[in-house]
Amino acid sequence: GQNIDQPTEMTATEGAIVQINCTYQTSGFNGLFWYQQHAGEAPTFLSYNVLDGLEEKGRFSSFLSRSKGYSYLLLKELQMKDSASYLCAVRDSRNVGSARQLTFGSGTQLTVLP
Amino acid sequence: GAVVSQHPSWVICKSGTSVKIECRSLDFQATTMFWYRQFPKQSLMLMATSNEGSKATYEQGVEKDKFLINHASLTLSTLTVTSAHPEDSSFYICSAPRAGKRNNEQFFGPGTRLTVL
Repeated sequence: GQNIDQPTEMTATEGAIVQINCTYQTSGFNGLFWYQQHAGEAPTFLSYNVLDGLEEKGRFSSFLSRSKGYSYLLLKELQMKDSASYLCAVRDSRNVGSARQLTFGSGTQLTVLP
Repeated sequence: GAVVSQHPSWVICKSGTSVKIECRSLDFQATTMFWYRQFPKQSLMLMATSNEGSKATYEQGVEKDKFLINHASLTLSTLTVTSAHPEDSSFYICSAPRAGKRNNEQFFGPGTRLTVL
């Protein structure tokens, strides 16, 4: 099975930088996704890591260490609209074909203050 | 990017009635679709994997007779909540994986808000 942990809540100030951590345990790792979800809406894709290292995409970056079972999402130059839930999701390699399931962490609710 | 739609976006029904939710992949074919349920302030929980041409695979604790899944075509999966009760009120989200640079990345529908009175 998979066990994914991330902080429940975080608060940061507009313009600042925030790092949201995610640790996971899985018997078959095949990629880690970060999603942003605003209340009442579906998750939207932010980043994907399958190899160790940092992936940068504008104001958002994501890091992965497979040996440590650890990832973080880094948000720079925070804006009020970044207030949302951030979900860490791990894909299991045990499934075949396209039926590769995602297991989601509980989500980190980020509040950006003015 | 790929587009997945859901219908309806919200529904209110009386206890004991059945509700059907549709999930469509609009610009690609999906032999597999996933159905998730999300309660307020909680994460997405996988309910079942919908397979075109075969039976759905349900996660532990999900009643297959209550949550009927039919993958009618390569672009449509339906979830029917039978004899709905207030505790079934939740946000239901479907997703479909598509082959691409992120190795079968899942694309999510906009979700369906179900309220059972």
